Amino acid sequence: DAGVIQSPRHEVTEMGQEVTLRCKPISGHNSLFWYRQTMMRGLELLIYFNNNVPIDDSGMPEDRFSAKMPNASFSTLKIQPSEPRDSAVYFCATRDRGIEQYFGPGTRLTVT
Amino acid sequence: DQQVKQNSPSLSVQEGRISILNCDYTNSMFDYFLWYKKYPAEGPTFLISISSIKDKNEDGRFTVFLNKSAKHLSLHIVPSQPGDSAVYFCAASAGRSNYQLIWGAGTKLIIKP
Repeated sequence: DAGVIQSPRHEVTEMGQEVTLRCKPISGHNSLFWYRQTMMRGLELLIYFNNNVPIDDSGMPEDRFSAKMPNASFSTLKIQPSEPRDSAVYFCATRDRGIEQYFGPGTRLTVT
Repeated sequence: DQQVKQNSPSLSVQEGRISILNCDYTNSMFDYFLWYKKYPAEGPTFLISISSIKDKNEDGRFTVFLNKSAKHLSLHIVPSQPGDSAVYFCAASAGRSNYQLIWGAGTKLIIKP
């Protein structure tokens, strides 16, 4: 298995632009997590999906952030409009029935 | 309120010696603990875990010890190798049905040649 796939790996955009981050989970994993990592706050859980349904989005910082999982093979995290304080590394992680989560390589977002 | 704490931001160890990374927690409901390793520009990778019904779990050079009364766990790496240089995260879970992992801030391990 290729593991969790994220794209793009790096994104540089200007303030006010829309940003879409993509994630392809490991086949058969029915739970998907979006995290944000910053120096100040460490790893923060943004949203959790189970069987493609959003279960907990309490970590989504503002209405500018939205996430979808239209099917078991794909999820997106969208920021519209983006702001400089959104600059961070965004990780997608998935798991099956175990507790361990398996992370993608991350997307480094820079908003100027 | 930090429920999982890794109080050492960094640790430097000589190659071949033992590396000991520490983690403290406050929530007595935590019953499963995990260690992850992270290289720069990569995602965290699962390393080893331990259930609260055990006090030790070993996997090759890696051993995790759990002291429930002290709410403390540690990861031992013996012998330390240059490839072990990475950031190590401790994470905790409160029950298999609980999806959340509560993460520590990480400890950067540097293995000196």
